[in-house]
Amino acid sequence: AQSVAQPEDQVNVAEGNPLTVKCTYSVSGNPYLFWYVQYPNRGLQFLLKYITGDNLVKGSYGFEAEFNKSQTSFHLKKPSALVSDSALYFCAVRDYYGGATNKLIFGTGTLLAVQP
Amino acid sequence: DAGVIQSPRHEVTEMGQEVTLRCKPISGHDYLFWYRQTMMRGLELLIYFNNNVPIDDSGMPEDRFSAKMPNASFSTLKIQPSEPRDSAVYFCASSSQGGGTYGYTFGSGTRLTVV
Repeated sequence: AQSVAQPEDQVNVAEGNPLTVKCTYSVSGNPYLFWYVQYPNRGLQFLLKYITGDNLVKGSYGFEAEFNKSQTSFHLKKPSALVSDSALYFCAVRDYYGGATNKLIFGTGTLLAVQP
Repeated sequence: DAGVIQSPRHEVTEMGQEVTLRCKPISGHDYLFWYRQTMMRGLELLIYFNNNVPIDDSGMPEDRFSAKMPNASFSTLKIQPSEPRDSAVYFCASSSQGGGTYGYTFGSGTRLTVV
């Protein structure tokens, strides 16, 4: 079964420093990977996706993610964190069941706290 | 487009009462998903529809939960009877064909409290 793991419940970083939120995946077939962000009292918002092609994917709000097949990872990164980036971040993978489905499997989420 | 619209935003009800949550997906999206989010269990997929037809309801926790999509612009999630353990935030999301490729659009959620 497809799955993603977010090993850190919380990541703390100072404003202006680079940030990384980790995600590893386990899939059969080619992985379709996603990052979403959830601000307080809001629904999840799409940040970026990896389907195929360049291993470095650029998304919204200056975020990017690096797909690493050998390490089965898809870490979310940003060169310089902002206090406004503080939110809950979810990694997700497209499910397969005999073939590709449109069902996304979400990780448990990582709370990013950016200190001023 | 106004995005995915959910109502109500907040619902407080007494145990044993029927609760109905509503969702209007983005026009043109043919997939609709219902998720539940709690601190203990995270984000759980309850059910999803394609072209108004339920495709996978394996996440529906019990017979007390039911979901319908009578047309392309409306879906309901009903809990009858409700229990305190149903307290959670319920999200609706929609996507277009190949939504696994282009991602979902989520509504703002309904925060349900059962007392």
